[in-house]
Amino acid sequence: EPEVTQTPSHQVTQMGQEVILRCVPISNHLYFYWYRQILGQKVEFLVSFYNNEISEKSEIFDDQFSVERPDGSNFTLKIRSTKLEDSAMYFCASGYGGNEQYFGPGTRLTVT
Amino acid sequence: SQQGEEDPQALSIQEGENATMNCSYKTSINNLQWYRQNSGRGLVHLILIRSNEREKHSGRLRVTLDTSKKSSSLLITASRAADTASYFCATDVISGNTPLVFGKGTRLSVIA
Repeated sequence: EPEVTQTPSHQVTQMGQEVILRCVPISNHLYFYWYRQILGQKVEFLVSFYNNEISEKSEIFDDQFSVERPDGSNFTLKIRSTKLEDSAMYFCASGYGGNEQYFGPGTRLTVT
Repeated sequence: SQQGEEDPQALSIQEGENATMNCSYKTSINNLQWYRQNSGRGLVHLILIRSNEREKHSGRLRVTLDTSKKSSSLLITASRAADTASYFCATDVISGNTPLVFGKGTRLSVIA
């Protein structure tokens, strides 16, 4: 069964450094998402992406964040200058437009 | 804001018993979905119920939706130790590329 994959599974970085989180969505899906979950808290929406552009973003998704689909398979989330409060699990999800979203296993980002 | 809020926050049952988790939300929805998350892992899509549906089954899972009360329930029958996880409801308001809004989840422990 096809699934969303994410790399790395765990990323440790120092405050102020740039990180890129990678995702490979399910191949025939057209909609792509990033969510995050701070430890012990709700899963929160960051951004959605369709037709090679951002379609919606939350207040969390400020100028420090960017997304890209550099080729036909990868979908990346970049955080330019990480802060301590960016420490969280970051989930990529994809969907075909029927509203079901399929999530990857997540990348645990630890900012020290 | 539109939110899914689950109750109870935590539920502990014996293997073989049924587990019922509830979700309430505040605004009109298009769909409601239930996800499972094992500790520190990704979100697994369980079931989607549309706003014009009242009940849906998938294996040992039964989901109900009452749009007049803005609530949903997830019933897991004949629970197993492997069902131990957190369960989240997530709602969306329109079709297609719409972000999901998650509740805080119910932590289910099934004791063998």
